[in-house]
Amino acid sequence: EVQLVESGGGLVQPGGSLRLSCAASGFTVSSNYMSWVRQAPGKGLEWVSVIYSGGTTYYADSVKGRFTISRDKSKNTLYLQMNSLRAKDTAMYYCAREGVVVRGIFDYWGQGTVVTVSS
Amino acid sequence: DIQLTQSPSFLSASVGDRVTITCRASQGISSYLAWYQQKPGKAPKLLIYAASTLQSGVPSRFSGSGSGTEFTLTISSLQPEDFATYYCQQLNSYPQLTFGGGTKVEIK
Repeated sequence: EVQLVESGGGLVQPGGSLRLSCAASGFTVSSNYMSWVRQAPGKGLEWVSVIYSGGTTYYADSVKGRFTISRDKSKNTLYLQMNSLRAKDTAMYYCAREGVVVRGIFDYWGQGTVVTVSS
Repeated sequence: DIQLTQSPSFLSASVGDRVTITCRASQGISSYLAWYQQKPGKAPKLLIYAASTLQSGVPSRFSGSGSGTEFTLTISSLQPEDFATYYCQQLNSYPQLTFGGGTKVEIK
């Protein structure tokens, strides 16, 4: 059974850093395209970043230069390093697996981890 | 950037009603559109992709249509478990993906 479990969220001050983790089971993270998607309180969904199976990464303009997506093959885990955090980064952060046949759709999601940026 | 506008943003309906949600793209996106359902406190769930292809395990009362700039999600007979928020998502500018603002379906 495919499962994604995020962790690492919390309260951080503006300008601070946080690293989110997404532990996967039932499939291999490094063989799939994996994304982070966030949702600000009471708002809609916003795609944040993707890492391809080959290692290529892309970011939304809103986080480019501040966030870094990565993975650890031995731990079958996806990460999101978030630096220079701003109040607007406050959100629930989900990791999600892209479809294998159809890229760009998300067929499995984690339960999310909450990031709050506030002084 | 491709913008997606959903309408209505809020919908009140009764069990058994036929419900239609519209998603309009700011430019043509062919059939590169997906729909998700999100219940409170839960992650989104994929319902439809390629504008009209039902994801495995999704009830057949859900259907999608459209191409270019206008798309619809239809629930043929609303069930109690369908009360949720629905989002469209475009894949045309992959890997830069965007979602619509959401349509909340509530019980009348």
